[in-house]
Amino acid sequence: EAQVTQNPRYLITVTGKKLTVTCSQNMNHEYMSWYRQDPGLGLRQIYYSMNVEVTDKGDVPEGYKVSRKEKRNFPLILESPSPNQTSLYFCASSLLGLAGAGEQYFGPGTRLTVT
Amino acid sequence: DAKTTQPPSMDCAEGRAANLPCNHSTISGNEYVYWYRQIHSQGPQYIIHGLKNNETNEMASLIITEDRKSSTLILPHATLRDTAVYYCIAPNQAGTALIFGKGTTLSVSS
Repeated sequence: EAQVTQNPRYLITVTGKKLTVTCSQNMNHEYMSWYRQDPGLGLRQIYYSMNVEVTDKGDVPEGYKVSRKEKRNFPLILESPSPNQTSLYFCASSLLGLAGAGEQYFGPGTRLTVT
Repeated sequence: DAKTTQPPSMDCAEGRAANLPCNHSTISGNEYVYWYRQIHSQGPQYIIHGLKNNETNEMASLIITEDRKSSTLILPHATLRDTAVYYCIAPNQAGTALIFGKGTTLSVSS
């Protein structure tokens, strides 16, 4: 089954404790992206990757890191999480970039709480 | 980047057609319009996308006006499971992100 998986689905952590949220897709997609969703603000892009070893900042990259060493994986790293990073996070992938390339597949989401 | 506007909420009776409007007057000639929906806090689900011509798939139909300033998503026979937030979206100019607005909350009732 074609899908995007994220782990963990739920995480409660404390300020400053490094964490990684994993994202994996099994569709051989080139494009992958991370979004966060906050009440009243909608989904906003954090980082994206157009292909292996190619990553770039989205609209809200501060406090996050990513890497794309393999085509299927795109982990999101919070080196020193803070309470303002409490949010619902979504990973997404698509075959190519978004300008007319068709559908983007989203993962099930990771609900992160930083205390 | 193109901006889309949608009504905040709509109601629909089960079995009837749901027509969800979207204004995108600033969209450029080569920018696609995408529709996604999100049920509760699940990951957004792709519905359909189009450029100029009307489009139809197994989920919905998309009607785009000739001037491309607006579009309508049609769910032909709404069910309770279609209750969700529906987003009309245009990618950013670079084609690297979907620009989500607040969407339309569609409530389908029996």
